[in-house]
Amino acid sequence: DVKVTQSSRYLVKRTGEKVFLECVQDMDHENMFWYRQDPGLGLRLIYFSYDVKMKEKGDIPEGYSVSREKKERFSLILESASTNQTSMYLCASSYPGQTEGYGYTFGSGTRLTVV
Amino acid sequence: AQSVTQLDSHVSVSEGTPVLLRCNYSSSYSPSLFWYVQHPNKGLQLLLKYTSAATLVKGINGFEAEFKKSETSFHLTKPSAHMSDAAEYFCVVTPPGGGNKLTFGTGTQLKVEL
Repeated sequence: DVKVTQSSRYLVKRTGEKVFLECVQDMDHENMFWYRQDPGLGLRLIYFSYDVKMKEKGDIPEGYSVSREKKERFSLILESASTNQTSMYLCASSYPGQTEGYGYTFGSGTRLTVV
Repeated sequence: AQSVTQLDSHVSVSEGTPVLLRCNYSSSYSPSLFWYVQHPNKGLQLLLKYTSAATLVKGINGFEAEFKKSETSFHLTKPSAHMSDAAEYFCVVTPPGGGNKLTFGTGTQLKVEL
């Protein structure tokens, strides 16, 4: 069974800490995405990557960065965590052009609380 | 820019009754449209997709959706709700020309009561 695995289900961090959220996929997908999910706002795209070492900003990149050193792994980095970054973070992957085929495969999410 | 509007943030139905979750899209092109479902503490799962073939799309778990260009709608329906259908549902649209940056609606929470 194909999978997108997010390393932590729940995470609690302090304001100002540097936070790493890890995502690994075993489907050899080129594209990987990070979204945050907030009640009433749906999913909002933070960053995405269409190849190793390639990245593009999504709709809400401020306060975040990403790293993609290997095809299967896509990391989201909160440079200095703030309370307004408390949210559910979802990772997804897809083949190029798969949006007209099978859509995304999502991980189960990481619920981050910044105190 | 493309967008989707989910007209109801919460829908409550009784078990065995029909489900209707409404979605309108806005675009100047022919989009691909999806419905995803998220059960509590789970990731999102693809329910069904419309990609300019048949306008009536059948998905998993008895759900279906009809693409109506004249109404710019893509409503999700199911003839008979089951308790296991309680979840959050997202309507999703592709960007102009296809591509990989999907735009998600704000979600509809479906509650199924006995």
